[in-house]
Amino acid sequence: QKEVEQNSGPLSVPEGAIASLNCTYSDRGSQSFFWYRQYSGKSPELIMFIYSNGDKEDGRFTAQLNKASQYVSLLIRDSQPSDSATYLCAVKRAGTASKLTFGTGTRLQVTL
Amino acid sequence: SQTIHQWPATLVQPVGSPLSLECTVEGTSNPNLYWYRQAAGRGLQLLFYSVGIGQISSEVPQNLSASRPQDRQFILSSKKLLLSDSGFYLCAWSDSPRGYRNEQFFGPGTRLTVL
Repeated sequence: QKEVEQNSGPLSVPEGAIASLNCTYSDRGSQSFFWYRQYSGKSPELIMFIYSNGDKEDGRFTAQLNKASQYVSLLIRDSQPSDSATYLCAVKRAGTASKLTFGTGTRLQVTL
Repeated sequence: SQTIHQWPATLVQPVGSPLSLECTVEGTSNPNLYWYRQAAGRGLQLLFYSVGIGQISSEVPQNLSASRPQDRQFILSSKKLLLSDSGFYLCAWSDSPRGYRNEQFFGPGTRLTVL
């Protein structure tokens, strides 16, 4: 079992719809969770950070964390073509100092 | 504000040649620094991280090495490149961990092709 798992996609959603991206992790002691957006050929960009169970909203983005079920998700409301990218989930596991473990990413395509 | 630089942006090197990639951070002191590699279509693999000058931790055995000669400078090196070293090399920084926070911020990356 991978430490951080994501569906590779592509996930295709029409413009204006809600995109839902999911991530599961294996270490129950994981503390913090991050979502990065990576455009093709570019470096990852941090878009969300969450560490408490529940929802965290920032503009069109909502991160959801459920530690009991060991999953974290990212919702993108009113999806735009500019949201088309690969979304990486990263986890800070307990006892790993400052290291993050990344999933392989989900490719999102927002269609016109 | 903090800025992270990497150079070169792209590099094409023959098998067996040496490598030196440089990363510098501005606008912060005593950052944690990281080197990642992203192979085509794959996730980020942590290669090295450093919590201070001269302090390097290696995550995977390989023919690469890292050094941190100054507080905000991180260098990735190899004496002899292999074909499998091709990839997108990313440097990242973070502040020292503060509770649950450990956001990492990435530089623009170096795309390395070994022929």
